[in-house]
Amino acid sequence: GESVGLHLPTLSVQEGDNSIINCAYSNSASDYFIWYKQESGKGPQFIIDIRSNMDKRQGQRVTVLLNKTVKHLSLQIAATQPGDSAVYFCAYTSGNQFYFGTGTSLTVIP
Amino acid sequence: GAGVSQTPSNKVTEKGKYVELRCDPISGHTALYWYRQSLGQGPEFLIYFQGTGAADDSGLPNDRFFAVRPEGSVSTLKIQRTERGDSAVYLCASSSLGGRADEQFFGPGTRLTVL
Repeated sequence: GESVGLHLPTLSVQEGDNSIINCAYSNSASDYFIWYKQESGKGPQFIIDIRSNMDKRQGQRVTVLLNKTVKHLSLQIAATQPGDSAVYFCAYTSGNQFYFGTGTSLTVIP
Repeated sequence: GAGVSQTPSNKVTEKGKYVELRCDPISGHTALYWYRQSLGQGPEFLIYFQGTGAADDSGLPNDRFFAVRPEGSVSTLKIQRTERGDSAVYLCASSSLGGRADEQFFGPGTRLTVL
C-alpha cells in the first residue's frame, strides 16, 4: 500500500550534536525520495533528495541514506543548530503524486 | 513575486458555506499542486495541474472540492458545503516543469476553520 512512516514523532538534541531522523516506507516501487523541513506557519521546504539507484547523498550539513533492502530512509544533520528546529517530513513520489509521512518534530536545545 | 503566495492566510467559515482559496505560483512555473495538511500530519495530495489542465485530481476527497487554473498561472481551490472535517491548512506548491524530480516550492498555506 501507499504509506510512509516515521519511527519517532519527536527528537530533542543538544546544539552542536548530530541529528538523525528516520523514515520507513512500504512501497518497494518507490524510486525517488525527498526530505522536507517545515517551520511553524510555513510551507514545507525542500532539503535534499535521493533516487533509488543511490545509497547516500550529501548536501550542506545534511546527508540522506537510503536502504532499499529494509525500505528505510534517514536524514542526518551535522552540527545541529537552533535554526534546525522544525518538523521534518520524508516523502516519495508515485506517478504525479507526492506521499508524505507524518513528520518528526526536531527541537534543538541551546 | 519571489515565492508562492496564498490568500487568505486564514479563513473562518460556517458549516455549509462555500469558500475559495487562492494560490499565486512562482512566475513561469507550469506545474501547480494543492495539498491539505491536518494538524500533526504530513501534507496530503489533492490535485496537480500542468498548465491549465488538471493532470491528476485523484486526491480530491469528494465532489465538494474543485480547483481551476484557467490561465495556467493563478489557481483557485473551491470547497462547497463546507464541513467541520474540512478544517485544515491548504497548501499550494509550484514547480518549473512538473516532473517527478522537479523541486516543488510551497506557499505558506491557508488555514481553513469550519465552525
